Amino acid sequence: SFDLTQPPSVSVSPGQTAIITCSGDQLGSKFVSWYQQKPGQSPVVVVYHDTERPSGVPERFSGSNSGSTATLTISGTQAMDEAVYYCQAPDSDTSVLFGGGTKLTVL
Amino acid sequence: QVRLQESGPRLAKPSETLSLTCAVSDGSVSSGVYYWSWIRQPAGKGPEWVGHISSSGTTDYNPSLRSRVTISVDTSKNQFSLSLSLLTAADTAVYYCARGSYCRGGSCHASFVWFDPWGQGSQVTVSS
Repeated sequence: SFDLTQPPSVSVSPGQTAIITCSGDQLGSKFVSWYQQKPGQSPVVVVYHDTERPSGVPERFSGSNSGSTATLTISGTQAMDEAVYYCQAPDSDTSVLFGGGTKLTVL
Repeated sequence: QVRLQESGPRLAKPSETLSLTCAVSDGSVSSGVYYWSWIRQPAGKGPEWVGHISSSGTTDYNPSLRSRVTISVDTSKNQFSLSLSLLTAADTAVYYCARGSYCRGGSCHASFVWFDPWGQGSQVTVSS
């Protein structure tokens, strides 16, 4: 079956660029969304349709998707960006899948 | 800005049926091209999509849960509901309701779906 694979953790220094990946078979042919979840809170979308950013999401969040890997990039990472990030994509025309999550630590 | 709020029991017994409701405010379940969705998240794990219902009443379910899940909508109360039967401990999770958007550039398709906003979540524990 189709799976979305994310690294369990990524660490970055404040002000540096964080890159979080999401891998899946032919993922580039699907639209990927990314969610940020802080402890005790609900997930919040930061990128949808591979590259689109909802209003209110800082410009430092960007996304890309090609081949079998989608990428969430956080430029100039801030302490407030520390969270778990999940990717999401369609599993089929009628089903949805989430990745296992990547914990971003801002050292 | 539409808001969603889950309600229902926090504790359920194995083999019973769980019923949760999501109240929608500052928006309508019968307007627009949205999927009204249920997503659950076991502690320490990623979210798991449970299923959704469209504004027109069409439903889709996670294949792994399809035999036990029913999602319905009550337009008069502006809410939608989840029913999950034959509960086991594996169903213990935080249950979220969320609005799914599935249009892009004038085209609408389930494969375009993304979720915003999400409710605050409702912790459900299945235990005897």
